[in-house]
Amino acid sequence: SAVISQKPSRDICQRGTSLTIQCQVDSQVTMMFWYRQQPGQSLTLIATANQGSEATYESGFVIDKFPISRPNLTFSTLTVSNMSPEDSSIYLCSVVSGNQPQHFGDGTRLSIL
Amino acid sequence: AQKVTQAQTEISVVEKEDVTLDCVYETRDTTYYLFWYKQPPSGELVFLIRRNSFDEQNEISGRYSWNFQKSTSSFNFTITASQVVDSAVYFCALSGINDYKLSFGAGTTVTVRA
Repeated sequence: SAVISQKPSRDICQRGTSLTIQCQVDSQVTMMFWYRQQPGQSLTLIATANQGSEATYESGFVIDKFPISRPNLTFSTLTVSNMSPEDSSIYLCSVVSGNQPQHFGDGTRLSIL
Repeated sequence: AQKVTQAQTEISVVEKEDVTLDCVYETRDTTYYLFWYKQPPSGELVFLIRRNSFDEQNEISGRYSWNFQKSTSSFNFTITASQVVDSAVYFCALSGINDYKLSFGAGTTVTVRA
């Protein structure tokens, strides 16, 4: 399966600031996704990162808060904007390559003070 | 809409005991994928299995086995002869065949005591 690298692995940020999370894959993949896992909770899909076009957001998530880029088939970024303590979560990218099962990066653990 | 229910919040067992995790799902799709993922204390999400809705055969992989019953919309997971390293949160998930968007259950925390 593809090797997925997420950066940073963790960060502590001040409220009102923004953080960009990177997801790099070692091979071209068909689809890339971003998920959020709030403390003690399950995973929720934020959006599908579309290569060369705007991401497709799920209900409850908006582009102004979570802008996403995917300039090519191996890289995507998620920005968490104007952060508040409620944004403290693990953010995970996942990829689908061909008909292979979806695999996840190690996640970014974000704490907002 | 898709929904995955893992009714068991926490399970605690002694090493070498078997443990079965329940998963019940709802979907309007006629074809879909079912998954199990493991999230150990270190936090990464580890893929365990994917099952196509066409394939109702049970599967065994080492100490892990899965029972898929379409008639009851269930996809249960059994760990045989549990070990301390099996301690983790286990998530059941569902996706469409074409969109790959995963809907996760709430997860079941398994604690295996030595």
